[in-house]
Amino acid sequence: GAGVSQSPSNKVTEKGKDVELRCDPISGHTALYWYRQSLGQGLEFLIYFQGNSAPDKSGLPSDRFSAERTGGSVSTLTIQRTQQEDSAVYLCASSPSLVDRGKTQYFGPGTRLLVL
Amino acid sequence: QQQVKQSPQSLIVQKGGISIINCAYENTAFDYFPWYQQFPGKGPALLIAIRPDVSEKKEGRFTISFNKSAKQFSLHIMDSQPGDSATYFCAASRGSTLGRLYFGRGTQLTVWP
Repeated sequence: GAGVSQSPSNKVTEKGKDVELRCDPISGHTALYWYRQSLGQGLEFLIYFQGNSAPDKSGLPSDRFSAERTGGSVSTLTIQRTQQEDSAVYLCASSPSLVDRGKTQYFGPGTRLLVL
Repeated sequence: QQQVKQSPQSLIVQKGGISIINCAYENTAFDYFPWYQQFPGKGPALLIAIRPDVSEKKEGRFTISFNKSAKQFSLHIMDSQPGDSATYFCAASRGSTLGRLYFGRGTQLTVWP
């Protein structure tokens, strides 16, 4: 079946512009996560959705970052007034349920963002 | 503050050898420890995971060893192959954080023929 998909796969933008990154989770997965991967820094948690609500936004680095999820499916991560330090790979993951925390998080291929 | 510390940063192993990657954590509330494998240009994929009620879990050539008292866990790759060359991440999570994963910084493994 289809895995987690993300678009665009690559995005080059100018400093100060806004960008939107999209995530399509695996159908039926209720949990959705955004992570950021910078060179040599591992994966940094950004935000978690359960359905359409976001009980944990603690990883968003500033108020320039926001995310929403609609219909319990597609999620969009928006970065306003982009800065060069926002350049990274943004990864989305989905998981079937939190009833069993052993459920795997399935990652998409990521969006590579470069801010010039 | 890095909640999961991973070493080494890079590892070079000869084909057929054993690759060992180590992780340590401080938070005793962690109760789920997965390892992810990532190839260039791809997202991470779950390799193997363990809970602290067991000390070892083996799947094929991959084994996790877990030492609860030392708050350490490690990944062992037996008979390492060139196709195992990838970046490996250890992670941890706890129920109260709703499944959020805390990742180590990764180990870039190169297996040469």
